[in-house]
Amino acid sequence: GESVGLHLPTLSVQEGDNSIINCAYSNSASDYFIWYKQESGKGPQFIIDIRSNMDKRQGQRVTVLLNKTVKHLSLQIAATQPGDSAVYFCAEILRGYSTLTFGKGTMLLVSP
Amino acid sequence: GAVVSQHPSWVICKSGTSVKIECRSLDFQATTMFWYRQFPKQSLMLMATSNEGSKATYEQGVEKDKFLINHASLTLSTLTVTSAHPEDSSFYICSATRGGNEENIQYFGAGTRLSVL
Repeated sequence: GESVGLHLPTLSVQEGDNSIINCAYSNSASDYFIWYKQESGKGPQFIIDIRSNMDKRQGQRVTVLLNKTVKHLSLQIAATQPGDSAVYFCAEILRGYSTLTFGKGTMLLVSP
Repeated sequence: GAVVSQHPSWVICKSGTSVKIECRSLDFQATTMFWYRQFPKQSLMLMATSNEGSKATYEQGVEKDKFLINHASLTLSTLTVTSAHPEDSSFYICSATRGGNEENIQYFGAGTRLSVL
């Protein structure tokens, strides 16, 4: 989703639920995507990546889905835990480039 | 593996002084290092891309003379905020890539909180 001013989109879930965080991109030349997790006052932490020639990739408790038709990316977290509470950013790299462009971020709040 | 250390984690300085922030890749040689700036509740904005032994590439709107970047070795890059002013107060974060199969994955430092009085 889009953020307005200083407001971060927030997803609130209960511990044990599955979480889905969404990200939209606009550039057809986006070739590579990464999801990062950022806890308060810390640097982003790599979670999972996916190339544009794939539509799904799984990690430990996380799955990234890529729909190039609608330019949409999602991060699914299974059995969400309080430690998953953080801001999640999707980031993209355009074909032929090496710099990351970050999305606006989504705050995930997990309550016990 | 892929640990990036950033120092200091927090600095307060007076207006007009300069502040140096260090970014080190501890267990790998970084092909490229990046510097970002982040305001509260906002995303990361790339400031510059740095390669060892060459001049940094700055993003549009970032003042080269204000934010000096030195990349002296494959494991160290520094960002100096010169003549800092209150509007420079922000969270500065560095990242590094280690090439090979992970050429596009950036590993981030813990960030430096700069407060200019």
